[in-house]
Amino acid sequence: AQSVAQPEDQVNVAEGNPLTVKCTYSVSGNPYLFWYVQYPNRGLQFLLKYITGDNLVKGSYGFEAEFNKSQTSFHLKKPSALVSDSALYFCALKWTTDSWGKLQFGAGTQVVVTP
Amino acid sequence: DTGVSQDPRHKITKRGQNVTFRCDPISEHNRLYWYRQTLGQGPEFLTYFQNEAQLEKSRLLSDRFSAERPKGSFSTLEIQRTEQGDSAMYLCASSLEGRGIDEQFFGPGTRLTVL
Repeated sequence: AQSVAQPEDQVNVAEGNPLTVKCTYSVSGNPYLFWYVQYPNRGLQFLLKYITGDNLVKGSYGFEAEFNKSQTSFHLKKPSALVSDSALYFCALKWTTDSWGKLQFGAGTQVVVTP
Repeated sequence: DTGVSQDPRHKITKRGQNVTFRCDPISEHNRLYWYRQTLGQGPEFLTYFQNEAQLEKSRLLSDRFSAERPKGSFSTLEIQRTEQGDSAMYLCASSLEGRGIDEQFFGPGTRLTVL
């Protein structure tokens, strides 16, 4: 069965340092992969997606993610974290066989950026 | 604001009562999704509409749950005879068919507390 995992419940990083949030997936096929961010009392906001092509995807707010098929990973990265990046981050996937796009989410990773 | 809206934002009810939530998608979006998010977990898919047709329901959607999307615009999610286990954040999302691998835009959610 397909699955998506975020192995870290929380990531702590100092402002200005690189930020990485990990995501791995399991699928018998080619997934479409997404990252969303959730701020308190607000809905999920789309950050970026990988469909095909270049393995390095650039998204909103300076975030990027690298798709690695051999390691079945799609880690989210930001070269220099800001305090305002503190939020809950979700990795999600959907199957290419789904024409309409049901998303399967990981459990989320809380990012805490300290000044 | 032209994003996805949900009403109410918070609902507290007693066990056994019925509740109804409303979702207004982005106006030109023909696809609408409902998800449920419990504390410490990522959102889980409940059901999907394309226009007014409900095309898929998760096994999480018991017979106490019903969703409608009359005229393919707003949607309602009703829970009958609520149970404490129904306490969660209910998220609505919408997307537009035909935009490649469309990303879903999420509303702020309705937080349900069943006492």
